[in-house]
Amino acid sequence: DIVMTQTPLSLSVTPGQPASISCKSSQSLLHSNGKTYLYWHLQRPGQPPHLLIYEVSNRFSGVPDRFSGSGSGTDFTLKISRVEAEDVGVYYCVQSVQFPITFGQGTRLEIK
Amino acid sequence: EVQLLESGGALVQPGGSLSLSCAASGYTFSNYAMGWVRQAPGKGLEWVSGISGNGVGTYYADSVKGRFTISRDNSKNTVSLQMNSLRADDTAVYYCTKGWPGIYGPEKWGQGTLVTVSS
Repeated sequence: DIVMTQTPLSLSVTPGQPASISCKSSQSLLHSNGKTYLYWHLQRPGQPPHLLIYEVSNRFSGVPDRFSGSGSGTDFTLKISRVEAEDVGVYYCVQSVQFPITFGQGTRLEIK
Repeated sequence: EVQLLESGGALVQPGGSLSLSCAASGYTFSNYAMGWVRQAPGKGLEWVSGISGNGVGTYYADSVKGRFTISRDNSKNTVSLQMNSLRADDTAVYYCTKGWPGIYGPEKWGQGTLVTVSS
């Protein structure tokens, strides 16, 4: 199984400041078709998760442009350029290049 | 608008069975993989199972293989999860997820349904 490791597991950010979350996979997430199947989801308190970023760096419909994803192979990063109050929650990276689909442990973001 | 509505969550005794259902709307259902992801109380997300758009391909986490069965009815736009031999560690909120054409990672999530396995 591909192990997804997120760091940090929690972070506290002042509104307007940037935030960054790392996700490392135990194997490359590059598919033979040239796509990399790494996604980022946010789960706000009491809500189901929702998709932020797909295939490493593509913002999903309706996601603010302060969110960006980058990386390749086994190392990936989610960045929030200016954190807002509504960004509170748990962020998960997830891979779907290989079964079983695996999630990172989650990174809890709180506002200072 | 894509919508996923789960149903069937309940309290069930260890060793018992339960069937979850998910009704999808707002898109061409048969073109997309579907799946189930669960979240135990206070824990992270765990992928459970996935099924291809035509229902031929089915995939399971090792933790549920041989006990859970995923299926879909493309005429009714529904996906189901039959859960047998339930254990206490199956207790979780179960989310129905919509994938992508040929890709099983979640794109859209339902609101979830709670399954509690306890005597």
